[in-house]
Amino acid sequence: KAGVTQTPRYLIKTRGQQVTLSCSPISGHRSVSWYQQTPGQGLQFLFEYFSETQRNKGNFPGRFSGRQFSNSRSEMNVSTLELGDSALYLCASSLAAQGETQYFGPGTRLLVL
Amino acid sequence: GESVGLHLPTLSVQEGDNSIINCAYSNSASDYFIWYKQESGKGPQFIIDIRSNMDKRQGQRVTVLLNKTVKHLSLQIAATQPGDSAVYFCAENPGYSTLTFGKGTMLLVSP
Repeated sequence: KAGVTQTPRYLIKTRGQQVTLSCSPISGHRSVSWYQQTPGQGLQFLFEYFSETQRNKGNFPGRFSGRQFSNSRSEMNVSTLELGDSALYLCASSLAAQGETQYFGPGTRLLVL
Repeated sequence: GESVGLHLPTLSVQEGDNSIINCAYSNSASDYFIWYKQESGKGPQFIIDIRSNMDKRQGQRVTVLLNKTVKHLSLQIAATQPGDSAVYFCAENPGYSTLTFGKGTMLLVSP
């Protein structure tokens, strides 16, 4: 079974631009979560989607948004990019329920100049 | 590869030694805990998990111990190998599919 895939793997943007990242979960997984990883803050939860609905949200500004499609694929968008948004963005999928193991993709490395 | 963290606690061991990585979690309501391994340039990889109704669980060369009284997790790796070198994260599940991660520990294994 294929793992979680994320595209693109690397991205360079400038301040003020917006970016869209994509995640395809493991086949059969209906929950998709997004995390931001930086050296200073570690891994931080952004949001989680299940059945096209945002079920949980972390403590990030409204510039960070996401959505999930009927095939469980998910996208996240960051608008008005800031230098501090440079990070590794990780997507994880799980079957559905609370307490399920989350499996991570390789991440998208975003650099904001 | 990219660094996954700076100023992480580091554990240095010799090949063949046993390694113990510790983690304190924060939410007493968490009922599910996971250890992940992250190699440079890669996403976190699932190692082993444990539910709050257990205090020990064993896998292949790995054992997780849970002490709910002091909110402490540990990961024991037997006969550590150079391929075990990575950053190790504990994560707790306080609800739904949310995971709260610890800061991570870098394990360095010398041949």
